[in-house]
Amino acid sequence: AQSVTQPDARVTVSEGASLQLRCKYSYSGTPYLFWYVQYPRQGLQLLLKYYSGDPVVQGVNGFEAEFIKSNSSFHLRKASVHWSDSAVYFCAVRGFNYGNEKITFGAGTKLTIKP
Amino acid sequence: ETAVFQTPNYHVTQVGNEVSFNCKQTLGHDTMYWYKQDSKKLLKIMFSYNNKQLIVNETVPRRFSPQSSDKAHLNLRIKSVEPEDSAVYLCASSRLGEYEQYFGPGTRLTVL
Repeated sequence: AQSVTQPDARVTVSEGASLQLRCKYSYSGTPYLFWYVQYPRQGLQLLLKYYSGDPVVQGVNGFEAEFIKSNSSFHLRKASVHWSDSAVYFCAVRGFNYGNEKITFGAGTKLTIKP
Repeated sequence: ETAVFQTPNYHVTQVGNEVSFNCKQTLGHDTMYWYKQDSKKLLKIMFSYNNKQLIVNETVPRRFSPQSSDKAHLNLRIKSVEPEDSAVYLCASSRLGEYEQYFGPGTRLTVL
């Protein structure tokens, strides 16, 4: 079975400050990891993905995430947030093996940017 | 424009009615999905479907059924809606052999 834990339901950060959204996953095999963002009244948009190589992966809009296998973590970071980053962020995992197409999403972290 | 499209954006109905939501993808993908997102933003997979296989989440009530005319379309029918069906329904698609899914904007259902 696979699972994702996002321990912070809500995070508030001042505009211009740095950000880290936490994600821990559970999967027995090789994971494929994602971060998605959902803006109000919209669907989910892919921010970044990781399955191998450099454990720090770059995404859109200045976001990056680091895969730490020993800790089963895939935290999302941004050096300087903008008010438009206010949204709900989802971490997700799926199996790397063909035939295991199910993606499991975390509960999401709602990010609020203070002016 | 290539994307995942859903109609309607919103739908309000009464308990016991039948509803149907449409989803179309122009990305050339092989597999399509329906998710339910509740008021707490929790996402639950309902169905995944390609031209060979329908996979149903065993927790989905039987009043829900997917309907596909071709690999670009996957509609969702709810035979007799219940109050707990109020949610946002998200359609997604992916290409066989690739791992990310692309989502539509969702259909918000309110059951009175």
